[in-house]
Amino acid sequence: DTGVSQDPRHKITKRGQNVTFRCDPISEHNRLYWYRQTLGQGPEFLTYFQNEAQLEKSRLLSDRFSAERPKGSFSTLEIQRTEQGDSAMYLCASSTSRFSNQPQHFGDGTRLSIL
Amino acid sequence: QKEVEQDPGPLSVPEGAIVSLNCTYSNSAFQYFMWYRQYSRKGPELLMYTYSSGNKEDGRFTAQVDKSSKYISLFIRDSQPSDSATYLCAIGTQGAQKLVFGQGTRLTINP
Repeated sequence: DTGVSQDPRHKITKRGQNVTFRCDPISEHNRLYWYRQTLGQGPEFLTYFQNEAQLEKSRLLSDRFSAERPKGSFSTLEIQRTEQGDSAMYLCASSTSRFSNQPQHFGDGTRLSIL
Repeated sequence: QKEVEQDPGPLSVPEGAIVSLNCTYSNSAFQYFMWYRQYSRKGPELLMYTYSSGNKEDGRFTAQVDKSSKYISLFIRDSQPSDSATYLCAIGTQGAQKLVFGQGTRLTINP
């Protein structure tokens, strides 16, 4: 399967704990995106990378959130000191800059539940 | 006002019906338009994308864009129970990578 891969699929943690999610994009895609989706809503943009550079961050991405893509391949999203409001589906997507305005392809997400 | 408005439904139709799903948007800078399908507990799956006003057809699916009215539609012909899912419109500006999504319309096709 050469689609976007996310791990873990589901994470349950207690409030105040730190969590880290991983995303492996489609192999030839140099752009990688993180979105957050809450129940009954569409995904909301969090941040995006082109290769290893983080080029845009949403106001939704508070100081407790950090994303990295150290070698321009996989990416991690860390949430520190989790809060109840962080419970959501965290989606990763990738695309290529080889041609303009290429569509984004999504993984199946990591569902975060805060107890 | 949200940048993209989409009727959340739910929408329930009999098998074989033609389904029309719609979104409106407020920012005339939006230049490319996508429709995604999302099954429960799965990620959004790309169905259609287009950059121009007019119609684009792919099998049973037709995407329609009217930039003058800031209105986009997805039509599904000969709907099947397997089409039951949430449909999301997503819109982006030229050169920008952030997609703005509608709320999603939950669709059920009844056998």
